[in-house]
Amino acid sequence: DIAMTQSPDSLAVSLGERATINCKSSQSVLYSSNNKNCLAWYQQKPGQPPKLLIFWASTRESGVPDRFSGSGSGTDFTLTISSLQAEDVALYYCQQYYNTPYTFGQGTKLEIK
Amino acid sequence: EVQLLDSGGGLVQPGGSLRLSCAASGFTFNSYAMNWVRQAPGKGLEWVSGITSSGGATSYADSVKGRFTISRDNSKNTLYLQMNSLRAEDTAVYYCAKGDSESYLYSLFDIWGQGTMVTVSS
Repeated sequence: DIAMTQSPDSLAVSLGERATINCKSSQSVLYSSNNKNCLAWYQQKPGQPPKLLIFWASTRESGVPDRFSGSGSGTDFTLTISSLQAEDVALYYCQQYYNTPYTFGQGTKLEIK
Repeated sequence: EVQLLDSGGGLVQPGGSLRLSCAASGFTFNSYAMNWVRQAPGKGLEWVSGITSSGGATSYADSVKGRFTISRDNSKNTLYLQMNSLRAEDTAVYYCAKGDSESYLYSLFDIWGQGTMVTVSS
């Protein structure tokens, strides 16, 4: 199984400041057929299902604000929120969809400082 | 509006069975793979199972293989998860999640149901 490790486990950032969450996979998730990384980011607010933010490591889902961006390749990936808003307080998960069983990171709790 | 409505959760004794359903609307159900993902109370996300758009191929996490069966009825736009020999560690919120292609391979989860709670306890 591919292990996904996020850092940090929790993060407190001031409103308007940048938030950065890292995700590392235990092996490459690069899909050779399209040369894209099978890495997604989800946001989960209390009592709600996860919401897709980013896929193919850097493609923003329709309707997601452009302050959210994804980067990285191979085994190291980053989710960046350029200017934190109050509504961004949530848990964030990375996920690989390169191999079954699909696996998620342990989650990063993002709070307002 | 694209929507997934999970149902069928409840309290069941260890060793018991339960069948979850996920009713889909707002998209062409028979064109997309579907998945089940669970989340134990206060814990992270765990992929459980996936099925292709036709229902012809399935995949399971080792933790549920041989006990759970995923299926779909494309005429009813409904996904199912039959859960047998339930254990305490199966206690979780179960979400159905839509894939973005016909196959569950290399497929992300772009739409999620609201979840249904399964509690396994005596």
